[in-house]
Amino acid sequence: EVQLVESGGGLVQPGGSLRLSCAASGFTFSNYWMSWVRQAPGKGLEWVANTKQDGSEKYYVDSMKGRFTISRDNAKNSLYLQMNSLRAEDTAVYYCARDSDAPIVGSTIFDYWGQGTLVTVSS
Amino acid sequence: QSVLTQPLSASGTPGQRVTISCSGSSSNIGRNTVNWYQQLPGTAPKLLIYTNNQRPSGVPDRFSGSKSGTSASLAISGLQSEDEAEYYCAAWDDRLNGVVFGGGTKLTVL
Repeated sequence: EVQLVESGGGLVQPGGSLRLSCAASGFTFSNYWMSWVRQAPGKGLEWVANTKQDGSEKYYVDSMKGRFTISRDNAKNSLYLQMNSLRAEDTAVYYCARDSDAPIVGSTIFDYWGQGTLVTVSS
Repeated sequence: QSVLTQPLSASGTPGQRVTISCSGSSSNIGRNTVNWYQQLPGTAPKLLIYTNNQRPSGVPDRFSGSKSGTSASLAISGLQSEDEAEYYCAAWDDRLNGVVFGGGTKLTVL
């Protein structure tokens, strides 16, 4: 059974940092692109970033480039999101999602999602 | 303002057929496949339709997807109360080099 379990969320002050983790199981992690998607309270879904199977390619939404860094450790079946210079508008539930197994980016299919971890940026 | 445009809301009575539209551009829907996600209240999104019109295992055939040019549609036939949820379309955008979502459509079953 495919499982994605996020952790690391919590309350952080504006300007602070947080590192989210996503533990994957039930599939060959290294075969898949992986993504982070977030959802602000009462708002829609917003894709954050994704990383290729071997971590050699990473893509980010423009508004988070330079502040957020996606990474993965295939030996640990884990996905990470390092978030720096956090702002109030980064407050959201952050979901880890399994992306496609294609060799190139563009055929994104989020077929499995974690339960999400809440990040609250507030003083 | 989302890159993909969806109606804010849709509604229907049990048994009816409803459609939800998703309008994009040549850099996203025009060039890449569209996926649809269903999000029930308080839960994580779930893949409903992928690659324009394919249903994952376990998704009833009441749900169908289509794409034409720079637009896509999700159709739900034989509407049921448990279909009441938020629905999102998504696609890769070649100009933005990222995934773009629609703003979401809240479906109400009257």
